Amino acid sequence: EDQVTQSPEALRLQEGESSSLNCSYTVSGLRGLFWYRQDPGKGPEFLFTLYSAGEEKEKERLKATLTKKESFLHITAPKPEDSATYLCAVQAAGGATNKLIFGTGTLLAVQP
Amino acid sequence: DTEVTQTPKHLVMGMTNKKSLKCEQHMGHRAMYWYKQKAKKPPELMFVYSYEKLSINESVPSRFSPECPNSSLLNLHLHALQPEDSALYLCASSQGTGRGETQYFGPGTRLLVL
Repeated sequence: EDQVTQSPEALRLQEGESSSLNCSYTVSGLRGLFWYRQDPGKGPEFLFTLYSAGEEKEKERLKATLTKKESFLHITAPKPEDSATYLCAVQAAGGATNKLIFGTGTLLAVQP
Repeated sequence: DTEVTQTPKHLVMGMTNKKSLKCEQHMGHRAMYWYKQKAKKPPELMFVYSYEKLSINESVPSRFSPECPNSSLLNLHLHALQPEDSALYLCASSQGTGRGETQYFGPGTRLLVL
């Protein structure tokens, strides 16, 4: 069964304290792995799409990496405005067309 | 521009009411989606439209009825809902339904069923 697991469930950081969020996946074949940021009561905001192991993408303080089993979202010198829930999702080759399988998210709180 | 708009932002309805949620995108995307999200849970797929045809229905109860009038618009008609249907309803769109297409989400409609 296709599955996505995110850890930790919650993370509290001090401003400037770098860290990483993990997304482990088990799928029949990976079509794409997606990272989203979601603020309370709002829709997920697209961050990155990764397609193959070894791929990396960066945007401001965020960097996403991908291996054959997991993806990491590295946050460098976070600011309070980076506080949000970060969702990881995968599209599996064996699943319904373009169906996303979401993890349960990591709730990040960055304290000033 | 990767904007998906949804109206209304908030909706309160009784169990006997009929209401509709609306979603619009002008990115030329040919696939549109409805998701339901409960508090502290990830989004759950409800329906997928591809080229204005319903391609996926994730066994959603018939009190939810989707409609895609054209390639830019997506509606979700609601009738005889239950209190447990209260949730954030999200619309999303993607260029197509091919390999690894990125889905872009709207801000959502917060629905409360009394």
